[in-house]
Parts: sequence; structure tokens; C-alpha cells
Amino acid sequence: EVQLVESGGGLVHPGGSLRLSCEASGFTFSYYAMHWVRQSPGRGLQHLSYISSDGYRTYYIDSVRGRFTISRDNSKNTLYLQMGGLREEDMGVYFCARDPGDYISRGDLWGQGTLVTVS
Amino acid sequence: DIQMTQSPSSLAASVGDRVTISCRASQGVNNYLNWYQHRPGKAPKLLIYAASSLQSGVPSRFSGSGSGTDFTLTISSLQPEDFATYFCQQTYNTPQTFGQGTKVEI
Repeated sequence: EVQLVESGGGLVHPGGSLRLSCEASGFTFSYYAMHWVRQSPGRGLQHLSYISSDGYRTYYIDSVRGRFTISRDNSKNTLYLQMGGLREEDMGVYFCARDPGDYISRGDLWGQGTLVTVS
Repeated sequence: DIQMTQSPSSLAASVGDRVTISCRASQGVNNYLNWYQHRPGKAPKLLIYAASSLQSGVPSRFSGSGSGTDFTLTISSLQPEDFATYFCQQTYNTPQTFGQGTKVEI
């Protein structure tokens, strides 16, 4: 089955760290760029970070740059988001999304999300 | 950042109704506009990309139109499984940004 499954969410204290994982199956993971997107009550859906299919290009929104690190292991079909210096405003459901990486960026496959609580 | 504003925020409709959701960008995004459907507890689902291209596997009752700053998602005949929240997203500029969502209720 073609799917993405996030894991690693949980309760963390302010200032703490957490590593999220997104395991891909049913398709050739190394062909696709990937994104992390957060959904929170106060901010709706927010694109956080992007990584190219080969892992050499990354992007972060200003509010997480320097605190979060996106990475991938194509041999393990897994995407990661290392989060540090967590704040209450980082709370939410974190989704990973697959991007075909052609002429228009889009999430053509998403996971169901993992919940991060900072308190 | 480009602000995406959807209207309405919510709507009530019946099975078989024609539903139209609007999305306006604070500046032109060409046709770099995607639409998603999200049901609670489920993975968001891509419906439309590049403003009007139907994603593979998505029923043809969904259609998208528009360019520049004004876009529309239309559901021609609402089905029970279509009751969900719909989001637009611009990918013309970084940061990519989403609309606040339109909840379609019975």
C-alpha cells in the first residue's frame, strides 16, 4: 500500500527536543521531495520545511530555522524532523507530505499526522 | 508572505448540491494553487493542483478554476463522503501558505 506513516510525537517540556519520523512504503521514496506541515488551532496549516529528493536542498520557514532540522535516509525510506528549543507555539499535528518535484510543488500523498504537545 | 483567504469559512449543504469555495491570494500566484480535502483524523488528500488539474483518482465532480489571485473549487454534486474541510495552498512563493479552510457540513 502506498502510504506515509508519521511517528515520534508526544508530550515535551518547553525547551525540549523531539525527533519525528515519516516512514514511506509502496513507492520509490528516493524519487520524491518531501515536506513537513503543521496544523495547529491558532495558525491552521503551516508549511514548515522541505527537502529535495537527494537530500541536498532544504528549506525552513523563519520561525523554525535554526531549531528544526529536516533530513532523510533514502536507504530506510524515512524522513525525519529533529526539533529543538520547542515552544508552546510549536504544538500541533505534524504531517509529512510527498512532492512529485515537477513543475508545481504539491503534496500528492500525506500521512495521518503525529501530535506534538509542548507543556 | 502571501496571505490566502478562503470564503466562506463554513457552509451547510445537502447531498446533490453544487458547492463553490473561493480562495483569494494577497498577490498573484499565477496558477501555483492546490486544493486539498481533509477529514478529521485522516490524511489530507490532494484534489486539484495547478489551479485546475484534477489529481489522479479524484472524482470528476471536483473541479478547479482561476489564475492570478482568485480561485474556485467546485463540487458539482455533493456526495456523503465530501463532508470535510477544504484548504487551498499557494506554492508560487516561499513560504508556501494555506488558506484557513472551509468546512462543508451537512
